[in-house]
Amino acid sequence: EPEVTQTPSHQVTQMGQEVILRCVPISNHLYFYWYRQILGQKVEFLVSFYNNEISEKSEIFDDQFSVERPDGSNFTLKIRSTKLEDSAMYFCASSETVRQPQHFGDGTRLSIL
Amino acid sequence: KQEVTQIPAALSVPEGENLVLNCSFTDSAIYNLQWFRQDPGKGLTSLLLIQSSQREQTSGRLNASLDKSSGRSTLYIAASQPGDSATYLCAVFSGGYNKLIFGAGTRLAVHP
Repeated sequence: EPEVTQTPSHQVTQMGQEVILRCVPISNHLYFYWYRQILGQKVEFLVSFYNNEISEKSEIFDDQFSVERPDGSNFTLKIRSTKLEDSAMYFCASSETVRQPQHFGDGTRLSIL
Repeated sequence: KQEVTQIPAALSVPEGENLVLNCSFTDSAIYNLQWFRQDPGKGLTSLLLIQSSQREQTSGRLNASLDKSSGRSTLYIAASQPGDSATYLCAVFSGGYNKLIFGAGTRLAVHP
């Protein structure tokens, strides 16, 4: 069964550095999402992406964050000037349409030191 | 603002029991509701999706119902097994928000 793949599975970075989290959505899906889950907290929405542009973003998704679909398969989340509070599990998801199930990757655990 | 609440927060049951997990949401204007399973340190596995026009969905031992007007959904697990031990998350997709909004989950432990 097709699945969403995320790399790396674990990223350790010094505070202030930039990180890029990578995702390969399911091939025929058109809607892409990033969510994050701080340890012990709810899964929270960051951004949705459709037709090569952001369709919605949360209050968390400020100028520190950006997303890109550089080619036909990858979907990336860039975090600039990382802070300690950016430490979380970051999940990528994709869906065929807005009414179809969102399928999630296994996540990237980001640890900021 | 849409808010999703799940009760109970944790549940421990002996193997073989039938159990019900509850989810409630404050804004009934949803497109669909999705139930997920999350194992410790892992991603989210989609279990069932119920469209706003549907009343229930079934997959194997799982049955999910939706009462949109009252803002409630339940996930029924029949004949629970130790392998069902995980956190179960409920999430609603609202067109006005274009995103999934999650509850905090119910942590289920099924002991032999």
